[in-house]
Amino acid sequence: GIQVEQSPPDLILQEGANSTLRCNFSDSVNNLQWFHQNPWGQLINLFYIPSGTKQNGRLSATTVATERYSLLYISSSQTTDSGVYFCAVEHNTGNQFYFGTGTSLTVIP
Amino acid sequence: DGGITQSPKYLFRKEGQNVTLSCEQNLNHDAMYWYRQDPGQGLRLIYYSQIVNDFQKGDIAEGYSVSREKKESFPLTVTSAQKNPTAFYLCASSISAGAHFTGELFFGEGSRLTVL
Repeated sequence: GIQVEQSPPDLILQEGANSTLRCNFSDSVNNLQWFHQNPWGQLINLFYIPSGTKQNGRLSATTVATERYSLLYISSSQTTDSGVYFCAVEHNTGNQFYFGTGTSLTVIP
Repeated sequence: DGGITQSPKYLFRKEGQNVTLSCEQNLNHDAMYWYRQDPGQGLRLIYYSQIVNDFQKGDIAEGYSVSREKKESFPLTVTSAQKNPTAFYLCASSISAGAHFTGELFFGEGSRLTVL
């Protein structure tokens, strides 16, 4: 399979602060997704981003596939941003996504 | 509303019993997946199916079985052979436009299984 590493594993922020989460992967990928897992366990799709940059409100993501990494930016963090953020990649052989172990984010008021 | 429905949300079972988790999607997606999540861990693939009546083992298939008799349904059976079945189980689907393209992955809300 493909190895997916996320950093940092844990992050605590004051409300209003900005942060950058990183996802490194060990081989060429077709696709990459970022998810937010809420306290009830549901995985919410944030970005589907095999390459380039996308923005959605306070969140943005950049994937540099040739250098095998992706970054998720969270600006002006809110307490509702708390949870675990996962990166998942689809190997270039196709057919399945591999997940990192996540970054656990806690935003305190 | 289009989406993926998993049931039950919570399930308790005694050791030695088989249990089946339901997953239904109305997104008209070809591919469906089952993942397992343990506390503090990422998701690991159990089984996936790209087409009706066909499925493949993922990284941790031992002790599990699946079927894909209908496009919209992909039930997972946790058998008594699974040594550590207590976990959070997530079903997902994707459009799967071709052999090397999966498309965006969408998840159900999950089923939490506890073995007593």
